[in-house]
Amino acid sequence: DQQVKQNSPSLSVQEGRISILNCDYTNSMFDYFLWYKKYPAEGPTFLISISSIKDKNEDGRFTVFLNKSAKHLSLHIVPSQPGDSAVYFCAASSSRQGAQKLVFGQGTRLTINP
Amino acid sequence: EAGVAQSPRYKIIEKRQSVAFWCNPISGHATLYWYQQILGQGPKLLIQFQNNGVVDDSQLPKDRFSAERLKGVDSTLKIQPAKLEDSAVYLCASSQFTGTREETQYFGPGTRLLVL
Repeated sequence: DQQVKQNSPSLSVQEGRISILNCDYTNSMFDYFLWYKKYPAEGPTFLISISSIKDKNEDGRFTVFLNKSAKHLSLHIVPSQPGDSAVYFCAASSSRQGAQKLVFGQGTRLTINP
Repeated sequence: EAGVAQSPRYKIIEKRQSVAFWCNPISGHATLYWYQQILGQGPKLLIQFQNNGVVDDSQLPKDRFSAERLKGVDSTLKIQPAKLEDSAVYLCASSQFTGTREETQYFGPGTRLLVL
């Protein structure tokens, strides 16, 4: 039962352009969403989060959008830089089911081409 | 500030053998997590500790997996006996307790286990 899905295993974007990573979820009790970034041989690192009471959160080049009716969120990176090449994981949690219990998607490998 | 430390980084064992992983969280972090990440999948929470007490172990296969955090700092995760499907990266994470969902989890580099 995959509650958080990232349907694109990989994405290739040219340096300077916008990268858009997508994530869908099925559990309507999820009320907090996060994106993590992972380099090879390292653990995931927190990137940005959004609460279900918002539809947008911005932090520098990174913006997360949440569409609750569609159960969909996306991460926008503008402009994309070579250092952004990594695997990106979407994660979700529910205040009622354990606020720190994160459910992760499968990940999307982003490659930024010079 | 030192990050989450894990050892060993790699381990190869044969099925039915036992294996143990060690984790040292960030100093002062009361909450510690163990995740299993199978190739091509996202991390899956196995167990969550608050100090030395278990908060959630609903996804821990208790017939073969065990974990402890005796003094509320370091933790060990053990698999006995290992199966082929246990081949994965085992990630440890820690967070500073705030009681809110905004607790950021900091991950260690993981232990890559291969069961032959």
